Amino acid sequence: SQKIEQNSEALNIQEGKTATLTCNYTNYSPAYLQWYRQDPGRGPVFLLLIRENEKEKRKERLKVTFDTTLKQSLFHITASQPADSATYLCALEEGGGNKLTFGTGTQLKVEL
Amino acid sequence: GAVVSQHPSRVICKSGTSVKIECRSLDFQATTMFWYRQFPKKSLMLMATSNEGSKATYEQGVEKDKFLINHASLTLSTLTVTSAHPEDSSFYICSASSAGSSTDTQYFGPGTRLTVL
Repeated sequence: SQKIEQNSEALNIQEGKTATLTCNYTNYSPAYLQWYRQDPGRGPVFLLLIRENEKEKRKERLKVTFDTTLKQSLFHITASQPADSATYLCALEEGGGNKLTFGTGTQLKVEL
Repeated sequence: GAVVSQHPSRVICKSGTSVKIECRSLDFQATTMFWYRQFPKKSLMLMATSNEGSKATYEQGVEKDKFLINHASLTLSTLTVTSAHPEDSSFYICSASSAGSSTDTQYFGPGTRLTVL
């Protein structure tokens, strides 16, 4: 069966460190993968999209890698700040039509 | 740019009544809008895909007669929860894809918290 797995436990890190979040999937062949940020009681906010033929994408302090052999994406936030505290969701698109399937998300807490 | 709004942000209704939620793309035309439902500490579950001017495509297990979707224009889609029951209480979120976008990005609304008493 198809599955998208993200760390279910909250990730606590110190301010200034790099946060690394993992998204693993099985039985998908996604055309692209996206990462979103969601704050409590709010809709997700798009962060980065990486296509199946791309290995890495960067945007400011964010970096995403995509390994279609391992079926895994890693999401990094460098020089993390308390304002980065949120739940981060990965989402896969497969089969065209822009239809996304979301992982359960990982809650990140950046402490002073 | 790419702002999506939802109205209302919160609604409380009695069991058996119907509730309409609006989703608007404010600064772009959305050929496709998506409706999701999210339960506490769970992920977003796609309910249906709505294309302007045509019938919505519902995901497996989602009752089309209970969750009525209308996408009458390129900037507005509505979700009506008919004869709502307490188990329909959830966070409903819409998203929109920009017509002609090269990034395949969905822009999400802020969500609507529905509580059915």
